[in-house]
Amino acid sequence: QLQLQESGPGLVKPSGSLSLTCTVSGGPTSISGDFWAWIRQPPGRGLEWIGSVSYHGVTYYNTSLESRLSISGDTSKNQFSLEMTSVTAADTAVYYCARGTGSHFISYTWFDPWGRGTLVVVTS
Amino acid sequence: QSGLNQPPSASGTPGQRVTISCSGSSSNVGFNPVNWYQQLPGTAPKLLIYKNDQRPSGVPDRFSGSKSGTSASLAISGLQSEDEAEYFCATWDASLNGHVVFGGGTKLTVL
Repeated sequence: QLQLQESGPGLVKPSGSLSLTCTVSGGPTSISGDFWAWIRQPPGRGLEWIGSVSYHGVTYYNTSLESRLSISGDTSKNQFSLEMTSVTAADTAVYYCARGTGSHFISYTWFDPWGRGTLVVVTS
Repeated sequence: QSGLNQPPSASGTPGQRVTISCSGSSSNVGFNPVNWYQQLPGTAPKLLIYKNDQRPSGVPDRFSGSKSGTSASLAISGLQSEDEAEYFCATWDASLNGHVVFGGGTKLTVL
């Protein structure tokens, strides 16, 4: 069964950079297929899509975050990564990675499975 | 980027049928399939319904989805205590170079 696991620092200083990695394991799927997404959830609030990367490296970003984002995949390690620069307290959230699957067209995909999430707190 | 509109809360008693609405616009719900996610307390979201009305294997047939125009709905029949969770709708929005939009979430309480 496919599993996703987020990893990275739980504390980041304001104006610094947030870097997270998602490791994909189990099942027949490698990241050489499907789309791979980052989604976050501030404490007590709803879900916000951050962005996705396709299996051939095309990226799709939330336009409100795009200037601070970089999402990339490493097929040799079956991992994909998120880097967000110039973070503020508003970026404090649980960060989830998820597979976008079901179609070659990103607009027809859904997120399944999700990682367990990792809490990132932006604080000095 | 505006999100989809969901009622913040819903409730029902065991055995009842509850519906949760999700409204959007012609560039999102009216244009692309809607997916639903269930988030049990303290856990990650889980896929519940995909492509408007399809259930992944393992999801009970008490859960059903539908879509008409720019609105979608999730129905839960035979409500059970373990259904108490937050439910989110989501779809792709074709505006602004394309992006995923989520509903704000509906907290379902089983009384």
